[in-house]
Amino acid sequence: AQTVTQSQPEMSVQEAETVTLSCTYDTSESDYYLFWYKQPPSRQMILVIRQEAYKQQNATENRFSVNFQKAAKSFSLKISDSQLGDAAMYFCARDDTGNQFYFGTGTSLTVIP
Amino acid sequence: SQTIHQWPATLVQPVGSPLSLECTVEGTSNPNLYWYRQAAGRGLQLLFYSVGIGQISSEVPQNLSASRPQDRQFILSSKKLLLSDSGFYLCAWSGGGGNTEAFFGQGTRLTVV
Repeated sequence: AQTVTQSQPEMSVQEAETVTLSCTYDTSESDYYLFWYKQPPSRQMILVIRQEAYKQQNATENRFSVNFQKAAKSFSLKISDSQLGDAAMYFCARDDTGNQFYFGTGTSLTVIP
Repeated sequence: SQTIHQWPATLVQPVGSPLSLECTVEGTSNPNLYWYRQAAGRGLQLLFYSVGIGQISSEVPQNLSASRPQDRQFILSSKKLLLSDSGFYLCAWSGGGGNTEAFFGQGTRLTVV
């Protein structure tokens, strides 16, 4: 089965510090797309960042960046200068064909003041 | 701009009763549509996706079914609910093609009693 794995059910970080959330995936496709979504307590899913597999450059969105290792099928999310509002569930997702988004089991991030 | 509406927000249903959750999208045409279930403490499980009217793909065999009677309407149904159907259901849409994110509705919290 083609899966998305998040091995850290829970993580915590001190406010203003940096945290990295891990994600690995399995796919037989050579071209695909990867996403990180944030789900705050409101449960609204919010896109944080996306990465196209054929692009070697890691995506960056303000304090959020990814470390994309295609050969290792790894897609980690780094949050710099963590803020209290970053506390949420974070989901890694993969889209191979443009028709199916597969999500990991999520990482619950706590930000400690 | 595009919007997605999902209702109801919460639902309590007895075991054996039918279910109908509705999702509609505005501001776009021919979207890909998705139904996900998020069980407590778990990730998002893709239940159904649709790339066009009347076209439904099922990811997981189960007690649920989906229909797409109109281009921007996606319905999740069950003839007889089970206790295990309890969870948080999310509808989403995307433009397809891979390089587009999935946009989510507000979700429905279903409790089967």
